[in-house]
Amino acid sequence: NAGVTQTPKFQVLKTGQSMTLQCAQDMNHNSMYWYRQDPGMGLRLIYYSASEGTTDKGEVPNGYNVSRLNKREFSLRLESAAPSQTSVYFCASSDGRTAGNQPQHFGDGTRLSIL
Amino acid sequence: KQEVTQIPAALSVPEGENLVLNCSFTDSAIYNLQWFRQDPGKGLTSLLLIQSSQREQTSGRLNASLDKSSGRSTLYIAASQPGDSATYLCAVQTSGSARQLTFGSGTQLTVLP
Repeated sequence: NAGVTQTPKFQVLKTGQSMTLQCAQDMNHNSMYWYRQDPGMGLRLIYYSASEGTTDKGEVPNGYNVSRLNKREFSLRLESAAPSQTSVYFCASSDGRTAGNQPQHFGDGTRLSIL
Repeated sequence: KQEVTQIPAALSVPEGENLVLNCSFTDSAIYNLQWFRQDPGKGLTSLLLIQSSQREQTSGRLNASLDKSSGRSTLYIAASQPGDSATYLCAVQTSGSARQLTFGSGTQLTVLP
């Protein structure tokens, strides 16, 4: 049972480069999320998708775009990477049928460094 | 804006001790509060979810309580073991923003053998 799978696990980019972080879940969940985790700041929501075909901004969306490709997959794109985007990125999913009362399941993260 | 605080930031205890981790939040209008565990280099594992109408949840040696009116939650770990060493994160889902979790910065727990 894979749960939430993120690729790649590690990535180093140069300032200005672009890349896409991939996330897939096999739990038939409706809702998916992208967070970033920085030292001393906890996790902050970048974007989320309540259901297939919808996406919404979270707390820190600037510099990112997302695509809900299908029910399983939710990707995060950095169009022009900046050093301030160095972070650990987590994807999560939940069964959104009952709003607000289902736990979120997390992937193992992508560690991204931007030089 | 919801703010979540966890104190202490780090805690070290000898094996076998019972311990309490604290979480406080500023906006009491919440859907639920969740406790997560994070091991180094790993993602988050959901431990307990307390709905806004509940006062506590239990799972094995873990017990989480919620006092919405005072904006506080505690995670009680009984008979701690070295395998409990991890960072514990508290998160609240606030009413009106049905999908967004607001996280605390976590408490890093070390249980010494």
